[in-house]
Amino acid sequence: QLQLQESGPGLVKPSETLSLTCTVSGGSISVSSYYWGWIRQPPGKGLEWIGSMYHIGNTYYNPSLKSRVTISVDTAKDQFSLELRSVTAADTAVYYCARHRLHTIRGDLDLWGQGTRVTVSS
Amino acid sequence: EIVLTQSPGTLSLSPGERATLSCRASQSVRNFYLAWYQQRPGQAPRLLIYGATSRATGIPDRFSGSGSGTDFTLTISRLEPEDSAVYYCQHYDTSLLTFGGGTKVEIK
Repeated sequence: QLQLQESGPGLVKPSETLSLTCTVSGGSISVSSYYWGWIRQPPGKGLEWIGSMYHIGNTYYNPSLKSRVTISVDTAKDQFSLELRSVTAADTAVYYCARHRLHTIRGDLDLWGQGTRVTVSS
Repeated sequence: EIVLTQSPGTLSLSPGERATLSCRASQSVRNFYLAWYQQRPGQAPRLLIYGATSRATGIPDRFSGSGSGTDFTLTISRLEPEDSAVYYCQHYDTSLLTFGGGTKVEIK
């Protein structure tokens, strides 16, 4: 059964780069042909889509974050990653990785990781 | 950008009662791209409804979705204690996914 697991530092300093990895287990990123995404949730607030990607390189980003975000994939490790540059306290959130249900970015997310909490603080 | 507005902010009901949650879009959206999620405290969101009306795998039939155009509804026909959660609607349009602000359902 396919599972997603986020990993990365729980604390990042302001102005630095937040880097997270999502490991896909129980299946292959490249063979499965799904789109994969990142979503975040600031403490006590709602959900915000960060961006999504396909294993051959198609990426889509939330315009509000696009200038600071890169999503990439390592198919050999069945992992995809998030980089968010020049972070501030406003980037403090639980970060989730997830899978798009259909083999397209269009629509919903049917499989989620458990989330990882990232705090931006000096 | 399409904005999704959810109401009410909080719903407090007893077990066995019916819950009706609203999601209103700032402009007409395609049903195919409207989804609902449940997020229990401390957990990741879980897909409940996709395509406005279709239940995701393993979702009990007391959850149902309806609506079209700009007005969508999630109904929980008979509340159970484990339905205590925040519920979000979500939409896709022009390479952008957006979420509503959520409705918190409290079980008395």
